Amino acid sequence: EAGVVQSPRYKIIEKKQPVAFWCNPISGHNTLYWYLQNLGQGPELLIRYENEEAVDDSQLPKDRFSAERLKGVDSTLKIQPAELGDSAVYLCASSRMEGEQFFGPGTRLTVL
Amino acid sequence: SQQGEEDPQALSIQEGENATMNCSYKTSINNLQWYRQNSGRGLVHLILIRSNEREKHSGRLRVTLDTSKKSSSLLITASRAADTASYFCATEGGSNYKLTFGKGTLLTVNP
Repeated sequence: EAGVVQSPRYKIIEKKQPVAFWCNPISGHNTLYWYLQNLGQGPELLIRYENEEAVDDSQLPKDRFSAERLKGVDSTLKIQPAELGDSAVYLCASSRMEGEQFFGPGTRLTVL
Repeated sequence: SQQGEEDPQALSIQEGENATMNCSYKTSINNLQWYRQNSGRGLVHLILIRSNEREKHSGRLRVTLDTSKKSSSLLITASRAADTASYFCATEGGSNYKLTFGKGTLLTVNP
């Protein structure tokens, strides 16, 4: 089966610019996650979706971050405006329910 | 915040040797999972052990879980250069399927 697809793989922007990341989960996976991973750290959950509903967004900085999962399939994570500290790898993952999560390759964001 | 904490932070061994990594966590869990991350394949699930299990095997991997000590270990036997990667433990607790990752152990297997 095809894995989790993310795009772009790399993005370089200047601070205060907007940026968006896209994720297509594995077919049939109802649960979708967005994680942030800083260098030398483990992934940290930003938001979790069950179908189209955001069921855990407690770690999402809502002043500048937003996410959507229209029709319960693809998802988009947006940052507006980006700050220097947002430079990191943004990972998308999906799963059926509890247990194993399948991760995409990530988007490496550099904010200059 | 990260619940799991891996030990050691970095480990360097020779091909063929065994590698052991440890993970400690703070709160009760439903299960504990180990993931591997390298630049070539991203983050990949290795093994899951449930809170009522004490030991689990998968190929060259052996995982133990001690819920009384809130700790787990991952043993990789007969290591290969291709095992070079960062290894993360992740705990799942509560009813929301949320995974909390540690900072990882960087394993280097020298040929």
